[in-house]
Amino acid sequence: QKEVEQDPGPLSVPEGAIVSLNCTYSNSAFQYFMWYRQYSRKGPELLMYTYSSGNKEDGRFTAQVDKSSKYISLFIRDSQPSDSATYLCAPRSNQFYFGTGTSLTVIP
Amino acid sequence: NAGVMQNPRHLVRRRGQEARLRCSPMKGHSHVYWYRQLPEEGLKFMVYLQKENIIDESGMPKERFSAEFPKEGPSILRIQQVVRGDSAAYFCASSHFGVEQFFGPGTRLTVL
Repeated sequence: QKEVEQDPGPLSVPEGAIVSLNCTYSNSAFQYFMWYRQYSRKGPELLMYTYSSGNKEDGRFTAQVDKSSKYISLFIRDSQPSDSATYLCAPRSNQFYFGTGTSLTVIP
Repeated sequence: NAGVMQNPRHLVRRRGQEARLRCSPMKGHSHVYWYRQLPEEGLKFMVYLQKENIIDESGMPKERFSAEFPKEGPSILRIQQVVRGDSAAYFCASSHFGVEQFFGPGTRLTVL
């Protein structure tokens, strides 16, 4: 079983839609849950992270962690064409793991 | 404040040659991480270094690959006797306290 599973998409939504991106993980030792955005042929950029369970909001982005079901979500409200990128979830403890990424396209 | 810098951005090597990838962390950061990204795959952790020390190299192949982060100068990821399967994007990240990682633009290695 992979440490992190992420639906690769691709996901295509109209501008203004709410986007839901999800990951599952297997290691209950994970404590930090990061979300990165990666534009084509660029390095990943940290969007936000949470520690343990709960929600965290930053502008149009909300990260949610449910440790009981080992489920991580990132919600994007009022999606914009500039949000078109690949989104990587990255849970970690002392080990570093990344999901394969979900490719998102927001259509104007 | 410059971000993480990597060079070269593109590197072409023939099979059997050596590849040296360099990473300069953000100013004030003493933790460096190297990752490999293959097409359609996620980032795979390779090695975690602090100044002059390898902290975790569990993701790095035992043969042909080595990494260092000297007291002065950039971190170096060295791949000896490259093979076609080494073709990938290699990313370096740095952090200050070890939670948030800031990534460089990557080095794209092509092995002919």
